[in-house]
Amino acid sequence: ETGVTQTPRHLVMGMTNKKSLKCEQHLGHNAMYWYKQSAKKPLELMFVYNFKEQTENNSVPSRFSPECPNSSHLFLHLHTLQPEDSALYLCASSQVGLAGGQETQYFGPGTRLLVL
Amino acid sequence: DAKTTQPTSMDCAEGRAANLPCNHSTISGNEYVYWYRQIHSQGPQYIIHGLKNNETNEMASLIITEDRKSSTLILPHATLRDTAVYYCIVLKYSGGGADGLTFGKGTHLIIQP
Repeated sequence: ETGVTQTPRHLVMGMTNKKSLKCEQHLGHNAMYWYKQSAKKPLELMFVYNFKEQTENNSVPSRFSPECPNSSHLFLHLHTLQPEDSALYLCASSQVGLAGGQETQYFGPGTRLLVL
Repeated sequence: DAKTTQPTSMDCAEGRAANLPCNHSTISGNEYVYWYRQIHSQGPQYIIHGLKNNETNEMASLIITEDRKSSTLILPHATLRDTAVYYCIVLKYSGGGADGLTFGKGTHLIIQP
């Protein structure tokens, strides 16, 4: 148990559906991240939020839309996905110091997404 | 961030020490060496990190060479539950904000009974 929870743990959706993934961290951190892990590929960074502001978008298609309403919650809104978007989606959080120094990232268990 | 090179896979007998190497020859002075592991289909788990001194915690030890161009993660008494993919990641500590981790393919460590 890392203090980062993700729901749902498994999700099956059609290409015309709209769904959202939720991440919540109970660690008091101020930075949150979305990663994607496709089959047999390394984890890829998607988005970074620092103090609720998006600071990095790693060339992610617009069918993925992140939202960070506060420093404890992070969402990934999904619409008109493609079968190749099927993957494990992982959320992480960390504490970033005032001087910019960052600390260890803690990961949630992930959401296994299947797009049909 | 500096690139890392790890063996694709390794075997280790249960109860023995598992030594996982990592090369990071282009590491710069303000970059830390981090180790994570990922047990099948779970989220990555933080293990340990260090700058230039050797480090030890309840999970593992990290040995960093004096020139910092390579490091070794040591699991002192490997168990079957240590079977996982182990990632060595180099990361700037002071980058002006939150930075994502760059994962490579890691080393698939298989603990044999």
